[in-house]
Order: sequence, then structure tokens, then C-alpha cells
Amino acid sequence: GQQVMQIPQYQHVQEGEDFTTYCNSSTTLSNIQWYKQRPGGHPVFLIQLVKSGEVKKQKRLTFQFGEAKKNSSLHITATQTTDVGTYFCGVYNQGGKLIFGQGTELSVKP
Amino acid sequence: GAVVSQHPSWVICKSGTSVKIECRSLDFQATTMFWYRQFPKQSLMLMATSNEGSKATYEQGVEKDKFLINHASLTLSTLTVTSAHPEDSSFYICSATRDYSYEQYFGPGTRLTVT
Repeated sequence: GQQVMQIPQYQHVQEGEDFTTYCNSSTTLSNIQWYKQRPGGHPVFLIQLVKSGEVKKQKRLTFQFGEAKKNSSLHITATQTTDVGTYFCGVYNQGGKLIFGQGTELSVKP
Repeated sequence: GAVVSQHPSWVICKSGTSVKIECRSLDFQATTMFWYRQFPKQSLMLMATSNEGSKATYEQGVEKDKFLINHASLTLSTLTVTSAHPEDSSFYICSATRDYSYEQYFGPGTRLTVT
């Protein structure tokens, strides 16, 4: 079935440093979504990427979809303590089910 | 818009008892609802997909007789954990989609502890 590998599992940064998480698939993806889950909370939809090479920005967050549509990244510039949480990528498989990556837990030291 | 609620937010039950968790879409009609389970420090694992008026579709390895799902209306799905055991302790999260949209709206989750 559809699987995505997400790395790293954990990332500890100093406030103000940048952060990136990556998702990779062995097969071509039709789309990829990104979610953020705060500690103790539930996933919140951030964005969906559909086009090859697509780049979207939301303030300090930059989302990229690879040219081959097999990988994606989420980059946060100048992290803040409010960025703390776990970031998941998710892809829909052929059955219409959303399959999540393993997640990257981000901690930010003030 | 697109708010999903879950009740209860947390529950503690004794081993062998059953627990029902409700998932409601408050301001939209959910064409499909999903149930996930999340263990600490792990990703969300899809348990089942639920469509109103039809039987739920369970993922491989999920016991349908243990995790009973009922989707009685376009705004309500319930998950009943029957004969709960300590290993069923987890964070259960539902999500819903509307109008066959790609975006999933997640409920706040239910933390189940079985003693």
C-alpha cells in the first residue's frame, strides 16, 4: 500500500533557527498534505500540494513538492516557540484514505 | 466552519467494559468519517472509514467486532470499544470530510485509559 517515509523523527532547535522535515515516497504521488499537531492536540490541516515542483508559502512556512512528485518538504524559517509540535505529511491512497507519515516532532528552545 | 467535536475528551474504564466515543460534525454534513488511533510519540493509524448508512470499512488488523462503528447520520459517527483491555488505551481521533473535499477536519480526540 501507499507509504511515505518522513524524516527526521525529532528535531530540537534554538529559537530563531530554521527547521525542515521531509517526506519521501517510492511511488509518484497525486498530492500531498501537511498537518500540524500541537502537544496534546489534534492534527490541523496546513496545506495540500498537487502540482509537480509546486512551492507554497504561509508566512514563515514554505512547502515544496518535488518535480517527480515523490517527495515533499516543509521548511520553517526562524522558528518560534509557537511552532512546537509534530508535523505530519499525509497522502491519499487509491482507496481514498489518508495515510500519514511518521511525523517529525519539533521542539524549540527559547 | 468545519468543526468536528468528540465526546468524551477523556475516559477511564475498567478492563472488560465497553466505551462509546461520539464524533460529530457541528456545522456541515460529513460524507465520510474516519477513525484513527494514535499511541504516544507515534503517527496516526487509520482504523476504519465510515460512510453514512453503510457498514464501516476496517483497515487490515483492526478487529471489527471489537471496534464497532456506527454512522447513523451525516453528522454523527460512533466508535464503541467493546471489552476493553489495557492495550486498547490510546488516543482515538475522528475526522470528517465534506462534499468529497480533500481536506480532513479532525476532532479534538478522546484519550482512553483502560485499567
